[in-house]
Amino acid sequence: TQLLEQSPQFLSIQEGENLTVYCNSSSVFSSLQWYRQEPGEGPVLLVTVVTGGEVKKLKRLTFQFGDARKDSSLHITAAQPGDTGLYLCAGAWGSARQLTFGSGTQLTVLP
Amino acid sequence: ETGVTQTPRHLVMGMTNKKSLKCEQHLGHNAMYWYKQSAKKPLELMFVYNFKEQTENNSVPSRFSPECPNSSHLFLHLHTLQPEDSALYLCASSQAGTSSTNEQFFGPGTRLTVL
Repeated sequence: TQLLEQSPQFLSIQEGENLTVYCNSSSVFSSLQWYRQEPGEGPVLLVTVVTGGEVKKLKRLTFQFGDARKDSSLHITAAQPGDTGLYLCAGAWGSARQLTFGSGTQLTVLP
Repeated sequence: ETGVTQTPRHLVMGMTNKKSLKCEQHLGHNAMYWYKQSAKKPLELMFVYNFKEQTENNSVPSRFSPECPNSSHLFLHLHTLQPEDSALYLCASSQAGTSSTNEQFFGPGTRLTVL
């Protein structure tokens, strides 16, 4: 069973602050996705990264895929209360078509 | 609107009841999934269907029985559940293929409480 570790598990910050969430594995990903889940809803896909060293930006969110494709990070600049939610990374290995999810980072942005 | 709908959104049932969860995807995808999300645990993949054929059953107890009549609909039939089965049950779909990154689109989930 492949494992994905996310850190931190919980994060509470003030509006306007920056933050970074990490996703790590001992195995090489063929692809990795980040999702955000709000209370009472299903996860919503934010981004997919495939190439080692890849950086993708989505407004104030920056996603980075490690050169070795074993880790990824999500950086949020000037966080807003609307960014509050559970951030999940999900990875696929080799030819596997199923995703393995990390346990998530619960982010709370206080006004 | 994610294109994946689930009903009911909330369900309370006794251990002797029989109920079914329904999922429908309007995205033209060829794969559908059931996940279980419990507090403080990662999403657990339960079942996978590709082109209506079940391809994965991750050691799920027989009290959970999936059904996929076509590529747009997925059911999860429940019977004689236990209180520890209380969780958010999520349905997802994707376009699975050899070069696919398997991006999955989730429904809003059914919050199940077993008394």
